Amino acid sequence: EVLLVESGGGLVHPGGSLRLSCAASEFTFNSFGLNWIRQAPGKGLEWIAYVSSNGNTRFYADSVRGRFIISRDNAKNLVFLQMDSLRVDDTAVYFCARGRSLSSLYYFDYWGQGTLVTVAS
Amino acid sequence: SYDLTQPPSVSVSPGQAASITCSGDKLGGKSVCWYQQKPGQSPILVIYQDTKRPSGIPERFSGSNSGNTATLTISGTQAMDEADYFCQVWDTTSALFGGGTRLTVL
Repeated sequence: EVLLVESGGGLVHPGGSLRLSCAASEFTFNSFGLNWIRQAPGKGLEWIAYVSSNGNTRFYADSVRGRFIISRDNAKNLVFLQMDSLRVDDTAVYFCARGRSLSSLYYFDYWGQGTLVTVAS
Repeated sequence: SYDLTQPPSVSVSPGQAASITCSGDKLGGKSVCWYQQKPGQSPILVIYQDTKRPSGIPERFSGSNSGNTATLTISGTQAMDEADYFCQVWDTTSALFGGGTRLTVL
């Protein structure tokens, strides 16, 4: 069974930085794009970043572009989210999700359990 | 930017059919998927490419998409189906989610 396990969440002050990791197993890691999706407390889902299977292509939501960087290490089956200049409204559970592409649809077939990031003074 | 609109809540009696809608401009020309999320859990994919069910998803879950509206239908709704449901599309270089619908089975 595909497994995605996030780590690295915690409490950080506004303006601070945090690096999230997602460890993947039980699938051919370098064949799939990976994504970060977040959910603020009591709110809906917000996709924030995508990295292609080889790491060469990255997309970001407007809300995080220029502050967050997604990357991956295909040798270690890891995907990362470097988060800088954090704001209070970045507080959320951050999910790692595997992506699948089908015609014009890109969707998320497996999700991790999430890691909580709290930005507060 | 492209917006997806879902009703905040839907209620259904056990055994009845529940319909959850997702609206967007010319949504029928896009491919839609649906996720179920129970409290404290990660989302799971229940419908992709408008109508397809992933392995392990019960047959009572079905989807349709036409015009400006996609619909997730749960026939013979069970108490275990009580959850939040989110629609999602891919728009050029970003994924977009609807705001979510809380399904209450009462």
